[in-house]
Amino acid sequence: DVKVTQSSRYLVKRTGEKVFLECVQDMDHENMFWYRQDPGLGLRLIYFSYDVKMKEKGDIPEGYSVSREKKERFSLILESASTNQTSMYLCASSGIAGGPIQQETQYFGPGTRLLVL
Amino acid sequence: RKEVEQDPGPFNVPEGATVAFNCTYSNSASQSFFWYRQDCRKEPKLLMSVYSSGNEDGRFTAQLNRASQYISLLIRDSKLSDSATYLCVVNKWAGNMLTFGGGTRLMVKP
Repeated sequence: DVKVTQSSRYLVKRTGEKVFLECVQDMDHENMFWYRQDPGLGLRLIYFSYDVKMKEKGDIPEGYSVSREKKERFSLILESASTNQTSMYLCASSGIAGGPIQQETQYFGPGTRLLVL
Repeated sequence: RKEVEQDPGPFNVPEGATVAFNCTYSNSASQSFFWYRQDCRKEPKLLMSVYSSGNEDGRFTAQLNRASQYISLLIRDSKLSDSATYLCVVNKWAGNMLTFGGGTRLMVKP
């Protein structure tokens, strides 16, 4: 089974703090994604990466950056947390390890609920 | 217009009922379609892929209508454990990126 883990389930930070969210997958997947999920807005893509050291902006990258130094690890960074970044953050991965038909299937981590005060 | 639109619900149905959800998508170039299930305060998990010919997995049947750009999910003989939010998912034109609908909430009552 694919396993995607995230470093924290719950996190409370103060406005202006730098926040690191870590995600690790064990399926040797090429693609990794960071989403945030808010009531009424659904899942929105922040950033994604299709290879080590590669990154692409998603739909809402403002206020975020990412790092992918190793294939299995994808980090989301909030440079200066703000209250409007309070949300559920979900990491996902996908890749050809699942076969050509399944390569688009994304597998999610359990999520990190971030509260910025 | 949203890229993937779903009725948010909630759909309240009794156990044993049959319930159907529809979803429409705007990108006619989309090639891959999925239904994900998300339990309260949990992560989304793949329920089933949706194939052009339609497909069935136990009590769940998914259909795709490319001409009208909509996808459906039919759940027969609803169980209490089917209570969840069902997300309609469509791939973007750019490879492995997916677009998620806002979800349809289902509540199955005893």
